[in-house]
Amino acid sequence: ETGVTQSPTHLIKTRGQQVTLRCSSQSGHNTVSWYQQALGQGPQFIFQYYREEENGRGNFPPRFSGLQFPNYSSELNVNALELDDSALYLCASSLVGYPAYNEQFFGPGTRLTVL
Amino acid sequence: AQSVTQLGSHVSVSEGALVLLRCNYSSSVPPYLFWYVQYPNQGLQLLLKYTSAATLVKGINGFEAEFKKSETSFHLTKPSAHMSDAAEYFCAVRWGGGGADGLTFGKGTHLIIQP
Repeated sequence: ETGVTQSPTHLIKTRGQQVTLRCSSQSGHNTVSWYQQALGQGPQFIFQYYREEENGRGNFPPRFSGLQFPNYSSELNVNALELDDSALYLCASSLVGYPAYNEQFFGPGTRLTVL
Repeated sequence: AQSVTQLGSHVSVSEGALVLLRCNYSSSVPPYLFWYVQYPNQGLQLLLKYTSAATLVKGINGFEAEFKKSETSFHLTKPSAHMSDAAEYFCAVRWGGGGADGLTFGKGTHLIIQP
């Protein structure tokens, strides 16, 4: 069983640029969630995708957008990068449905640095 | 807004001593509760989850947690600390049903094990 994978591992961008991060779900999972983890903080929920549609969103502006593909892989796109976007971006996959306590399985993350 | 509080950003214990990491959540609405561990430069690994089947939950690596509804708490314990337990620990809560919506994380507790 393949776990959650993310690419790239590290990324350096400059302010104002756009970035795309990628995630492959764990086999059998139908939902992908994205989190932003700033240095020294807990992860913050960005949004979740289920059946290729956004299924919930945290307190993040519209310049954070995403996609989910038929194979349940996903992309996180961030436009007009700001210095505060520097963080570890975590992808998590899960199986939405019953039971509701199904846990999310996390990938290793992509470290984004905005200069 | 619903929130998760982890008391103590850093906890230091001696090897072999009891580990106690505290977690409180803000809402009286029954939540779904999780503890994750994060080792340096890695993603999050699930330690245990509360599924409402039992208030005392056993997880991996000898960790357990007790759900106390009256105290809105879900503290993590381990009877005897090991050097390999040194890591960042996050308490996470989901209030949504059906597995939808993201997790709300605490800010984390850095566990230091002294030899």
